[in-house]
Amino acid sequence: DAGVIQSPRHEVTEMGQEVTLRCKPISGHDYLFWYRQTMMRGLELLIYFNNNVPIDDSGMPEDRFSAKMPNASFSTLKIQPSEPRDSAVYFCASSYRLNTEAFFGQGTRLTVV
Amino acid sequence: GENVEQHPSTLSVQEGDSAVIKCTYSDSASNYFPWYKQELGKRPQLIIDIRSNVGEKKDQRIAVTLNKTAKHFSLHITETQPEDSAVYFCAATGGQGAQKLVFGQGTRLTINP
Repeated sequence: DAGVIQSPRHEVTEMGQEVTLRCKPISGHDYLFWYRQTMMRGLELLIYFNNNVPIDDSGMPEDRFSAKMPNASFSTLKIQPSEPRDSAVYFCASSYRLNTEAFFGQGTRLTVV
Repeated sequence: GENVEQHPSTLSVQEGDSAVIKCTYSDSASNYFPWYKQELGKRPQLIIDIRSNVGEKKDQRIAVTLNKTAKHFSLHITETQPEDSAVYFCAATGGQGAQKLVFGQGTRLTINP
């Protein structure tokens, strides 16, 4: 398996634009996590899915953020409209079960200008 | 919800010496405690984990100890090498039903030759 695959690796967008981040988890993993990493706040869990169903989205900062998982092999994180304070590295991770190793993708570095 | 505190935020040691990083957690229901290493510009990767039914676990130069009563756990790296330089994150499961993996703020470890 190629591991968790995220796209794009880098995204630069203007304030107010819609941004969509994509993730392909490792095949057979039942859990998918979206994290945001910044210097100030560290690694924050935004939302996680179990078998494509959102379980906990309490970390989603506000209504501008939404996440979907239409099938077991694909998830998106959308920000609409984007703001400069959304600039961060967004990681997707997957795990076979809860309380097992979470494998991270390479991340998407988002810059909103 | 779960809160994980990690100390110190930066740590500098001489090559060959030991390094210790400490974390505390708040949710007594937490039962899984992984440690991740993140090299500059790369994804976090698991280096060792421990479950609540074990007090200590060792893997070559890396060991983790867990004190459930005091709700703290520590990472010990012995005989440090330059390639150990990285940011280290502790984490604990937390939230409803202890299902959410919450990370500490990270420790930047520098090994001086």
